[in-house]
Amino acid sequence: DAKTTQPNSMESNEEEPVHLPCNHSTISGTDYIHWYRQLPSQGPEYVIHGLTSNVNNRMASLAIAEDRKSSTLILHRATLRDAAVYYCILPTSGTYKYIFGTGTRLKVLA
Amino acid sequence: GAGVSQSPSNKVTEKGKDVELRCDPISGHTALYWYRQSLGQGLEFLIYFQGNSAPDKSGLPSDRFSAERTGGSVSTLTIQRTQQEDSAVYLCASKQSGDSEAFFGQGTRLTVV
Repeated sequence: DAKTTQPNSMESNEEEPVHLPCNHSTISGTDYIHWYRQLPSQGPEYVIHGLTSNVNNRMASLAIAEDRKSSTLILHRATLRDAAVYYCILPTSGTYKYIFGTGTRLKVLA
Repeated sequence: GAGVSQSPSNKVTEKGKDVELRCDPISGHTALYWYRQSLGQGLEFLIYFQGNSAPDKSGLPSDRFSAERTGGSVSTLTIQRTQQEDSAVYLCASKQSGDSEAFFGQGTRLTVV
C-alpha cells in the first residue's frame, strides 16, 4: 500500500478556510486518493476522493498536485462541527483495501 | 437498513471468554472491512472481504481472532480467550464494488475485565 504522510494536528478559526495537506510520494498511476474524517465518538465518514483532477463536493474540495505526489483537502469555511481527525488514504488498486494512518487532528477555534 | 449496523453496541466480557461481534452491511455491498480502534489511537486494519474472493486476513493480530462472512452479507468477528489488550472499539465498514465510498458502522465497544 502506498504510504501517506500528514501533519499530526492543525488549528483553524471558525468560518475560515482550512487546507489539510497529504504527501504520497510513492503513489502509483492508478491509485485513487481518498479522504475520510472521524468525528469524536463516531465511525469514520467519507469526505471526498479523486484520481488526477481537482474534485469538489458539498463537503470539501480536493486539490491534487500535477505530479500526484501530494494533495490538499480544502474545507472552504470551517465550522465547529468540522473538528475531527482527517485521514488521507490510498487504497491499493484493484483491492480497495483501506489502511488508515494517524491522520490530522483538526481543531476549530470559535 | 439504511446503514451499516453493528451489534452489540457495547460488550463487557471476562478475560478468557470468547466473544462474537456482528456486522450487518448495507445490502448489495460486496466489500466488508473490520477495524479495531484502541482508546486515543488510530484505526487498525483487521480483515477485508471482497465478494467471493479469499479474505485478506493480514491484519488479524493473533490466531485468537477470526472472522467470517456468510452468504456475502452478514459478518461475525470472533475473539477467543479474550485478553485485556483486546479492549477497543471494533468498527465494521462496507462498500459497493468499484471505486466508491465506504460506510462505517458505529462500532462495538468491547471491554475485557
